[in-house]
Amino acid sequence: TQLLEQSPQFLSIQEGENLTVYCNSSSVFSSLQWYRQEPGEGPVLLVTVVTGGEVKKLKRLTFQFGDARKDSSLHITAAQPGDTGLYLCAGARWGNTPLVFGKGTRLSVIA
Amino acid sequence: IAGITQAPTSQILAAGRRMTLRCTQDMRHNAMYWYRQDLGLGLRLIHYSNTAGTTGKGEVPDGYSVSRANTDDFPLTLASAVPSQTSVYFCASSQQAGVSYEQYFGPGTRLTVT
Repeated sequence: TQLLEQSPQFLSIQEGENLTVYCNSSSVFSSLQWYRQEPGEGPVLLVTVVTGGEVKKLKRLTFQFGDARKDSSLHITAAQPGDTGLYLCAGARWGNTPLVFGKGTRLSVIA
Repeated sequence: IAGITQAPTSQILAAGRRMTLRCTQDMRHNAMYWYRQDLGLGLRLIHYSNTAGTTGKGEVPDGYSVSRANTDDFPLTLASAVPSQTSVYFCASSQQAGVSYEQYFGPGTRLTVT
């Protein structure tokens, strides 16, 4: 059973379009992270959200943590080819337990 | 500062052979992790270490072993490789174990078991 479900699995859009990807769970997390991974490289952290209902913005990227701390979304405004990559969400439970990763959303932005 | 280095970059290995994937970090991070990444299955945790001298099992530990003799190094050993262990392996570290700490990933090792 996958603890964190990401949707959609694949997304191909034109440059300039907006998009939202989702990360959902039936479990509560103390915090949630979003990573981006480019081909041939390891994932790189984009943001950590820690408070239910929290919204964080990183230039054209907006991240939201659900009020119940079970889900999160990533919205990209005016997507650019440089946004292409694999977006992974990762949930942290309490204590020293390791992060749980979703399977990722593979985004392709076509110029 | 190099961050996390992994070796080798890629390897083709015959089934039944023993192999150690190396991982070294220079950030003095306490926690280290090994993941495998397979198409459609995402990142899956193999083993982790919250601090030097301790290790724990992740989601898919069978067929793998780790050691953490010091802070900087966290090698992953496949005692007798099987084709299902063909994957891309990522090592990661974080300042501390636990919530909210960023994980820093190495560049990965692409392993093919034939």
